[in-house]
Amino acid sequence: DIQMTQSPSSLSATVGDRVTVTCRASQSISNHLNWYQQKPGKAPKLLIYAASSLQSGVPSRFSGSGSGTDFTLTISSLQPEDFATYYCQQTYITPWTFGQGTNVEIK
Amino acid sequence: QVQLQESGPGLVKPSQTLSLTCTVSGGSVSIGNYYWTWIRQPAGRGLEWIGHIYTSGSTNYNPSLKSRVTISLDTSRNQFSLHLNSVTAADTAVYFCAREQWLAVYNLDYWGQGTLVTVSS
Repeated sequence: DIQMTQSPSSLSATVGDRVTVTCRASQSISNHLNWYQQKPGKAPKLLIYAASSLQSGVPSRFSGSGSGTDFTLTISSLQPEDFATYYCQQTYITPWTFGQGTNVEIK
Repeated sequence: QVQLQESGPGLVKPSQTLSLTCTVSGGSVSIGNYYWTWIRQPAGRGLEWIGHIYTSGSTNYNPSLKSRVTISLDTSRNQFSLHLNSVTAADTAVYFCAREQWLAVYNLDYWGQGTLVTVSS
C-alpha cells in the first residue's frame, strides 16, 4: 500500500493566518492526490482534486500544489469555519489511502 | 443533487456479519462512470477505504479486509450494500458510503452522513 504522511498532525492558528499542510507519499503518485475537510460529526468534504484543482463551490482561499511525492494544501487567510481536520488521499493505486489527518485548531 | 444515506444495525455481536445499505437519491447507481464506495473511521482516528463497486458490478476491495468483505449493488432499489463478516471490536467505526467519480483523478465527491457501528456482545 502507498503510505501517506501528513505534517503537522495538528496546528494552532488564528483567523487571518496563512496555513500550510504537507502530505508526502511513500512513492510517486503523479497528481493523483485529493484533499478533504472534515468537521466533528460530519462526513469529509472534497476541497481539492488532482493536487491543485479546486472543487466546485470551495472558496478560493484554498489551494493545492505538488506532484510526485510531495504535496501542499494552503489556506491563504484562515476563516472561523476553516477550523477542522484535513486529510490527503491518494487515488493512484488501490487500495486508496489517506493521510492521518491534520487538525487545525484555534490559537 | 446527489444524496447518500447509510442504514443498518448500530450494534453487531463479535463473529457476526455487519450489514449496511446506502440509499442513493438524485442519481442512479447503474448509470454513469462512477464507483460506489465504503469508507470507515474508528473513533478519533483516520479514514480507511474499504472498497468500491462500479456501475457494472465489478468490485475492488482493500486487501486488509478482502477475505471478509462483500460490496453489492441493488439497482432496483438504487442502493448498494456492505457486508463484513467475522467482525471483532476492531471493526467498530463510523461507516460512510460515498460516490467516487473520475475528474482528472478518482475522488469522492458525495458522501453519506455516516453511521456508527459498534461491535460488542
